[in-house]
Formats: sequence, C-alpha cells, structure tokens
Amino acid sequence: DAGVTQSPTHLIKTRGQHVTLRCSPISGHKSVSWYQQVLGQGPQFIFQYYEKEERGRGNFPDRFSARQFPNYSSELNVNALLLGDSALYLCASSISAGVYGYTFGSGTRLTVV
Amino acid sequence: AQSVTQLGSHVSVSEGALVLLRCNYSSSVPPYLFWYVQYPNQGLQLLLKYTSAATLVKGINGFEAEFKKSETSFHLTKPSAHMSDAAEYFCAVSEGDSGGGADGLTFGKGTHLIIQP
Repeated sequence: DAGVTQSPTHLIKTRGQHVTLRCSPISGHKSVSWYQQVLGQGPQFIFQYYEKEERGRGNFPDRFSARQFPNYSSELNVNALLLGDSALYLCASSISAGVYGYTFGSGTRLTVV
Repeated sequence: AQSVTQLGSHVSVSEGALVLLRCNYSSSVPPYLFWYVQYPNQGLQLLLKYTSAATLVKGINGFEAEFKKSETSFHLTKPSAHMSDAAEYFCAVSEGDSGGGADGLTFGKGTHLIIQP
C-alpha cells in the first residue's frame, strides 16, 4: 500500500514568492494534518483538515493556508515567503480526526533564499 | 497549555548498552503521549503511544516507555542499543478530546541518539 505522498520533495523559492505543497493521504484516510519542522527543532502543528473542513489551526500567520479536496488530498499554501519559512513541511494522514493513527509522509524541504 | 521537555539534545551510548531517552510533559488534562523516530531526510515513524491504558507501553524495534503520572514523565528505553537505532527521537503530547487532532501534537525539541561501536 502506498504511504503518505508529498510533493515536491525539495524546492527553492525566493523571498516574497508563493509556494504550494501537496499531500496525498493513505487510501481511506480522511484527515490530513500539516506540520513545520525547522532544522534542529521538533515539528510544529500548522493545520488539521477532516472531511474537507478545517478542524484545527496552530499558531501560524495568515500567510499560511490550506485546503482539502474531495479525494482527501490536501494543499498547503504559503504567501509572501520569508527566510524563516525555510523548513521541512510534513503531512500526516489518519482515518479519523484523532492523532492516534497519524502516518507521516517524508516531507517537502523548502528553502527560501 | 501542553508542553514537552526532552532532556539532552544528544545522547551517546555504546552498542549493546541500555538506551534511556528522557521526556517530561506538562498537561492540564490526562495526556496522550507518543514517541516518534526520524531518520535523516525522512518523515516521522511512530515507535509507541500511551492512551490511558497500561502504563508500560511496548513499541516497535524493542523500545518501551513507562508513563509515570507522579513524575509527569514518559521516558523511552531499550535494553540493548543497535547501530541502526542512531536517529532523532521526538516525544509528543496531545490533550485533544479522545486524542482529537484539533490541536495537533506538541513535540519536544528532539534527542539525537548516537551509537558508539
């Protein structure tokens, strides 16, 4: 079975640009959560979507937004990129809205220059 | 608010020795606790989780952790370290209603485990 798939694996953007990261959950999983992991730190919660609705939001600015599609895949969008947005962005999917069954993808490494 | 403190950003043990990674949490309600492992350039893999059942939790790859409410701790142990255990380890807590994901997981800063041959 395919795991959680994230694309792209790496990308480089310039300050002020916009970026879209994509996540495909495990088949049958209806929840997708996004985390930001800055180098040397633990992941920080950004969003959770369940059944295409936002169920939770971490302490991130409005430049960060996300959505979930009818097939349960998800996009994370970041506007007006800052150098500090450079990080590994992790997606986790689960069957329900809980955190118990999280399966993480390998992440997208974003570098802002 | 919930928080996690992992004591020791780096821990070095000899191959075959006991592994002990420390985690203390703060939570206003009975917590749900997790240990994840991260290998270089990879995502997070769940080692084990505590969800208010048995206080001694056994996980994958020979790891186990004990929930001690009086000490607000959830330390991770493995009797005998193997070279393949070298990785970053994260402790995480959730206060969500029945483990609900609305607040996500709160992670510690991680402990880098080094295995000496």
